[in-house]
Amino acid sequence: AQRVTQPEKLLSVFKGAPVELKCNYSYSGSPELFWYVQYSRQRLQLLLRHISRESIKGFTADLNKGETSFHLKKPFAQEEDSAMYYCALRGNYGQNFVFGPGTRLSVLP
Amino acid sequence: DVKVTQSSRYLVKRTGEKVFLECVQDMDHENMFWYRQDPGLGLRLIYFSYDVKMKEKGDIPEGYSVSREKKERFSLILESASTNQTSMYLCASTDRGNSYEQYFGPGTRLTVT
Repeated sequence: AQRVTQPEKLLSVFKGAPVELKCNYSYSGSPELFWYVQYSRQRLQLLLRHISRESIKGFTADLNKGETSFHLKKPFAQEEDSAMYYCALRGNYGQNFVFGPGTRLSVLP
Repeated sequence: DVKVTQSSRYLVKRTGEKVFLECVQDMDHENMFWYRQDPGLGLRLIYFSYDVKMKEKGDIPEGYSVSREKKERFSLILESASTNQTSMYLCASTDRGNSYEQYFGPGTRLTVT
């Protein structure tokens, strides 16, 4: 079964501190992994996906197949990073996404 | 710019009422999805559709049905609303050829009293 876990419901860091949002998954094949973000009063939107290997808004995420993890990292958090972050998985053959429960990131001044 | 719109931002209904949630996308996307979003549970897929008149059950279809008569419109129907269906409902669409990015609507917050 496909499953995505995000162990932290809430993560608070100070501005300028490093941040890591954890994501683990279970899937028997080779999934695609994504991070979606929802800023206050805005729509849920794609932040990044593992295939593109891009850095978006200073965030990066590396797929670790051995640990089945896809943690989201940023070296220096900004107040505007405060948002709800969802890790998501898509399997080999489907068009469907499985989302994790989400982590609310709060960046304190 | 992809636009996904949902018919209502806020809706209050009584237990037992039939409820219609409408979603329209303007980018000719083949795939459309309905999720509910609950704190601590994330997004859970209710139903999805890959084409007109086609529908597939997601993870939590019980108590819901859907309709896709036109490519741009995907409706979620609560046949007899119950209080445990109080939630935020999100619609999303993707293009079949570029299906890695889901475009979401603003959401409908439904309260069933």
